[in-house]
Amino acid sequence: EAQVTQNPRYLITVTGKKLTVTCSQNMNHEYMSWYRQDPGLGLRQIYYSMNVEVTDKGDVPEGYKVSRKEKRNFPLILESPSPNQTSLYFCASSLISGGASEQYFGPGTRLTVT
Amino acid sequence: EDKVVQSPLSLVVHEGDTVTLNCSYEVTNFRSLLWYKQEKKAPTFLFMLTSSGIEKKSGRLSSILDKKELSSILNITATQTGDSAIYLCAAVNYGGSQGNLIFGKGTKLSVKP
Repeated sequence: EAQVTQNPRYLITVTGKKLTVTCSQNMNHEYMSWYRQDPGLGLRQIYYSMNVEVTDKGDVPEGYKVSRKEKRNFPLILESPSPNQTSLYFCASSLISGGASEQYFGPGTRLTVT
Repeated sequence: EDKVVQSPLSLVVHEGDTVTLNCSYEVTNFRSLLWYKQEKKAPTFLFMLTSSGIEKKSGRLSSILDKKELSSILNITATQTGDSAIYLCAAVNYGGSQGNLIFGKGTKLSVKP
């Protein structure tokens, strides 16, 4: 089944403890992206990747890192999480760049930083 | 600064009504506009619009882009309770960095039986 998977689905952590949210897609998509969704602010793009080893900042990249060493994986790294990073995170992928084809979203990761 | 504005922010209708959701955008190097439906989980794709004036249709849903007015509408006819969701639109900035999507805050549609 074609899908985007994220792990973990739920995470409660403490300020400053490094964490990684994994994202993997099995559709051989070139484009992958991370979003956060907050009440009243909607979906905001954190980082995106046009292909392996090519990443770029979205609208809210501060406090996040990403890497794209393999086509299928696009982990989101929070080196020193803070409470303002408490949010619902979505990973998405598309065959080609984000606006040229349909994006498939993962199930979401609900992160709470205390 | 790029931005996408959706209106109304929320809407309550009764089954059978027709609704029109609006999306306006100010995006440099605009490439396309996407519509998504979000229920209690991840957004699911509805439409991608790149050309002005060409209606896209899927069942009771349809959408059209007006590049002159920098806007798009999503129409839902004969609404059903299953249409209750948040509808998101996103504009794509395909400039130097390529692939930057800007989402609006969404329109929350509630369809009452």
